[in-house]
Amino acid sequence: SAVISQKPSRDICQRGTSLTIQCQVDSQVTMMFWYRQQPGQSLTLIATANQGSEATYESGFVIDKFPISRPNLTFSTLTVSNMSPEDSSIYLCSVTLNQETQYFGPGTRLLVL
Amino acid sequence: AQSVTQLDSHVSVSEGTPVLLRCNYSSSYSPSLFWYVQHPNKGLQLLLKYTSAATLVKGINGFEAEFKKSETSFHLTKPSAHMSDAAEYFCVVSLTGGGNKLTFGTGTQLKVEL
Repeated sequence: SAVISQKPSRDICQRGTSLTIQCQVDSQVTMMFWYRQQPGQSLTLIATANQGSEATYESGFVIDKFPISRPNLTFSTLTVSNMSPEDSSIYLCSVTLNQETQYFGPGTRLLVL
Repeated sequence: AQSVTQLDSHVSVSEGTPVLLRCNYSSSYSPSLFWYVQHPNKGLQLLLKYTSAATLVKGINGFEAEFKKSETSFHLTKPSAHMSDAAEYFCVVSLTGGGNKLTFGTGTQLKVEL
């Protein structure tokens, strides 16, 4: 398995501001993913981030709102831009090992006031 | 396209009794299937996975699941529930193995009572 950490673990933000979430993995991985889990709901994939290429966004998510960086094989960031209360969610990153299994970080709990 | 249906949003059992969490999938190709567990205020933990090997899959903490192609099901079971099993459980499907896009079910909240 992989050890994945996220920073911050939680935050409370004002509407209109932006928050950058960091995801760090203890081994080099090709594929990293960002998910959103809205209150009381399941996980929805935001985008796939591969090192050296632009992130691939799922339907309903755009780069201007959720810019992603992937500077190397162990790190990625997701920014939630121009936040509104509807962005209050848990944001999780995940990585793939052996092309079979995804392992998830502990999540970042975001509350937007 | 692929999808997952978890038939029960909430399941309540008594400690020491069997657990059954139901999951049906839809996939155009041979899927990979997973069960993840999420304890309160914690991240997602992989319980078990099916990737076209044995149809009966054993996972951690005494859980197991059986892949039944004829029924398009992948139900999660445990012979005897423990208080520590109380959590949210997600059934997940992937077309090309878990390395690629995962589709999550809506989750089943398991409550274990004394």
